[in-house]
Amino acid sequence: GDSVTQMEGPVTLSEEAFLTINCTYTATGYPSLFWYVQYPGEGLQLLLKATKADDKGSNKGFEATYRKETTSFHLEKGSVQVSDSAVYFCALSSTLPGGFKTIFGAGTRLFVKA
Amino acid sequence: DGGITQSPKYLFRKEGQNVTLSCEQNLNHDAMYWYRQDPGQGLRLIYYSQIVNDFQKGDIAEGYSVSREKKESFPLTVTSAQKNPTAFYLCASNGGSNRAGQPQHFGDGTRLSIL
Repeated sequence: GDSVTQMEGPVTLSEEAFLTINCTYTATGYPSLFWYVQYPGEGLQLLLKATKADDKGSNKGFEATYRKETTSFHLEKGSVQVSDSAVYFCALSSTLPGGFKTIFGAGTRLFVKA
Repeated sequence: DGGITQSPKYLFRKEGQNVTLSCEQNLNHDAMYWYRQDPGQGLRLIYYSQIVNDFQKGDIAEGYSVSREKKESFPLTVTSAQKNPTAFYLCASNGGSNRAGQPQHFGDGTRLSIL
């Protein structure tokens, strides 16, 4: 079945460091891919998305490129801030006969130190 | 501003008691979802509804029930049959013609604990 695998956390970085959070997926068909962010005590917020191969999603300095050949959607940011500390979820959504399904990765917690 | 409102933020359940979590959206979305989140884990789908008066079981529906009598409302009842209900519950919605390509909008969650 469809699945999403993301790197285990926590990831701890100093402010202004480069961030990469790896995400790979397994899916039949052509899924849409998403990154969501969750701050403590809150729900998830969409960070960025890509709906087809080679699309690059970007928002607030974060980027991720939909790589069909490697089935990956890695999240990157060139210079993290303390305010980026949160849990990041990779997700895929694929259309099935009669509906569709969204599958979330286990989440990666990021700590950014000042 | 449009969004999803979940209430209450914190809820406590006694043994043998049913409790209901509220979820209201004013985004005019057709589809609504309930997820359960346990510490250090991803989201697991409990129930979902793609249209009023219709809903389907997700991956972990046992011990839960829902209704969808109005487009904007999708309450979740945690029944006494759910033996391990302590978790963070998230409600979400999305809409649009290509729903698989549309992100889900989330509420701020309800944290349920056993007394």
